[in-house]
Amino acid sequence: QQQVKQSPQSLIVQKGGISIINCAYENTAFDYFPWYQQFPGKGPALLIAIRPDVSEKKEGRFTISFNKSAKQFSLHIMDSQPGDSATYFCAAGSGSYQLTFGKGTKLSVIP
Amino acid sequence: DVKVTQSSRYLVKRTGEKVFLECVQDMDHENMFWYRQDPGLGLRLIYFSYDVKMKEKGDIPEGYSVSREKKERFSLILESASTNQTSMYLCASRAPGGRSDTQYFGPGTRLTVL
Repeated sequence: QQQVKQSPQSLIVQKGGISIINCAYENTAFDYFPWYQQFPGKGPALLIAIRPDVSEKKEGRFTISFNKSAKQFSLHIMDSQPGDSATYFCAAGSGSYQLTFGKGTKLSVIP
Repeated sequence: DVKVTQSSRYLVKRTGEKVFLECVQDMDHENMFWYRQDPGLGLRLIYFSYDVKMKEKGDIPEGYSVSREKKERFSLILESASTNQTSMYLCASRAPGGRSDTQYFGPGTRLTVL
């Protein structure tokens, strides 16, 4: 079964700090790597996504770093805010319809 | 704005009951998905449909079936609910074309089977 391994399972960061969540994949056919953000009581929503033709993508305080040779990608949240407290899922997809999701990271940003 | 709605936010059923979970999207998306979300296990794909009347098994289809008679509606059916099907169920839809592009999720249905 194709897998995406996500770590850590939970993360506590001080307000203003940097939150870093890591994911690793096995299937070299994956060519699309999104991150989803989920607040309590809501469905996940796309936060940012990257394709392997670039090594980094930045949108505001959120950055994806992608290392194709290591088969790893990570989400960096700069200047973390209490409003960023949520569960984050990485995922990977290929030419098929499916996404394979990581198990999620619960981020808590404390004042 | 993109919208995916699910028929119930919370549902309580008894073991052995037949359960229907409904999902409707208003974006004319061809692809629709059903996931279940459990703590520590992330999102696991149950079934997906790439077009009307088309369906494909996901990673954990056992104990579930689906129906897609109209483009905007995708139903998940638990033929005989069991306690191990207590979970959060998420529906998603995806725009046609592209490569694994954005999936838009509904708010989820929390199902409890007693």
